[in-house]
Amino acid sequence: SQQGEEDPQALSIQEGENATMNCSYKTSINNLQWYRQNSGRGLVHLILIRSNEREKHSGRLRVTLDTSKKGSSLLITASRAADTASYFCASGAGSYQLTFGKGTKLSVIP
Amino acid sequence: NAGVTQTPKFQVLKTGQSMTLQCAQDMNHNSMYWYRQDPGMGLRLIYYSASEGTTDKGEVPNGYNVSRLNKREFSLRLESAAPSQTSVYFCATAGGGSSYNEQFFGPGTRLTVL
Repeated sequence: SQQGEEDPQALSIQEGENATMNCSYKTSINNLQWYRQNSGRGLVHLILIRSNEREKHSGRLRVTLDTSKKGSSLLITASRAADTASYFCASGAGSYQLTFGKGTKLSVIP
Repeated sequence: NAGVTQTPKFQVLKTGQSMTLQCAQDMNHNSMYWYRQDPGMGLRLIYYSASEGTTDKGEVPNGYNVSRLNKREFSLRLESAAPSQTSVYFCATAGGGSSYNEQFFGPGTRLTVL
């Protein structure tokens, strides 16, 4: 399997705290994407970072990419109860396909 | 616009039965995908279609067939269902011809094989 791994598998924080999730992948990539999945729903795209980028921001989201370590992190600042969801990284390597990680389940406690 | 729709939402089959999962999109996207999601396994690609008239195997194609009926529709068929195919199935689409394009997901079909 080419799947990457997210770390931690589950994370529980208080509202207002920051949440950091990490992702590792196995092969060379040209982009890495993060998706969110609310319980019982399909995935929703959050942000894409290209292999020649090191950091990218979108609202309360900050993504970093370290291609030398084959890893990425997603930081959600000032978390809200509505951020409770599972978060997946997906790596792209030039073909049509994305390879998804196993996800981090985030619980934000009000 | 409905985006990506999937039917049915839920299905229970007996071992050996067949069924087809339907996916339709109104986003005028070229690429379509079928994934399965199992607890602790994330999403795994079953088949994909880069454009109308083409289909290719993904990571876990055994036991499945697909048809890209036209640009809008991509169906997934289980010819002889097995309990190991109990899963949640997601269809997704992407606009362009590379992995740079974000994928848009349908709501999923929850399949149980007894």
